[in-house]
Amino acid sequence: DAGVIQSPRHEVTEMGQEVTLRCKPISGHNSLFWYRQTMMRGLELLIYFNNNVPIDDSGMPEDRFSAKMPNASFSTLKIQPSEPRDSAVYFCASSLGGTLSYEQYFGPGTRLTVT
Amino acid sequence: AQSVAQPEDQVNVAEGNPLTVKCTYSVSGNPYLFWYVQYPNRGLQFLLKYITGDNLVKGSYGFEAEFNKSQTSFHLKKPSALVSDSALYFCAVRDQRSSSASKIIFGSGTRLSIRP
Repeated sequence: DAGVIQSPRHEVTEMGQEVTLRCKPISGHNSLFWYRQTMMRGLELLIYFNNNVPIDDSGMPEDRFSAKMPNASFSTLKIQPSEPRDSAVYFCASSLGGTLSYEQYFGPGTRLTVT
Repeated sequence: AQSVAQPEDQVNVAEGNPLTVKCTYSVSGNPYLFWYVQYPNRGLQFLLKYITGDNLVKGSYGFEAEFNKSQTSFHLKKPSALVSDSALYFCAVRDQRSSSASKIIFGSGTRLSIRP
C-alpha cells in the first residue's frame, strides 16, 4: 500500500512568496494532520481534519497559514506571504480513526526554506 | 492536563547492550500510548502501541515497551542495541478530549545514539 504522499519534498522560496504544500493521505483514513518540525520548537500540530472537516486549527501560527481538505484524498497547507521564520519541515499524517486505530502514519515531509 | 514526558534528551548505549528510552504520561482514564521513531531526513514511523491487555507490548525492529500503570510509565526497550537503532524516538499519548478524531500528544523526543 502507498503511504502518505507529500509534495514537493523540498521547497526554496523567497520571503513574501506564496507556498503551497500538498498531501495525499492513506486511502480509507478519515483523519488528517499537519505538523511542523524545527530544532527550536520540536514537533508542533498545526491543524487536523476529521472526515474532511477542520476540527482544531489552534496550532496554526498566524493568519498567513491556511489549510484545506476538499476531499478525502487531498489536502493543502498554504502560507501567504511566507517569511524566513516559516522555514521548517512540514509533515502530513493520516489515521484510520475509530476505536483501537488511533496511530498516525506520517509522510516523508516537505523541507521548506524561505530566504 | 494530558501530557507525556521524556526526561532524557539523549541516551547513549554501546552496541549489543540493552537499551531503555523513558517515558511517563499524565492522562485521565485509561491511556492509549505510542512510540514512534524518526530516522534522519524521514518522517515519524509508528513502532508500537498500548491500548489494553498485556503490559508488555512488542513492536517493529525488535523493540518492546512496558506499560506500568502505578508508575504512569511506558518505557521503550530493546535487549540488544544495533548501530542502526540510532534515531530520534517519540513517546505519545492519545488526547482523550478529542472524541471525534485521533489526535495524539507527542513528547519532546529522545535522541538515541548507539556506538559501535
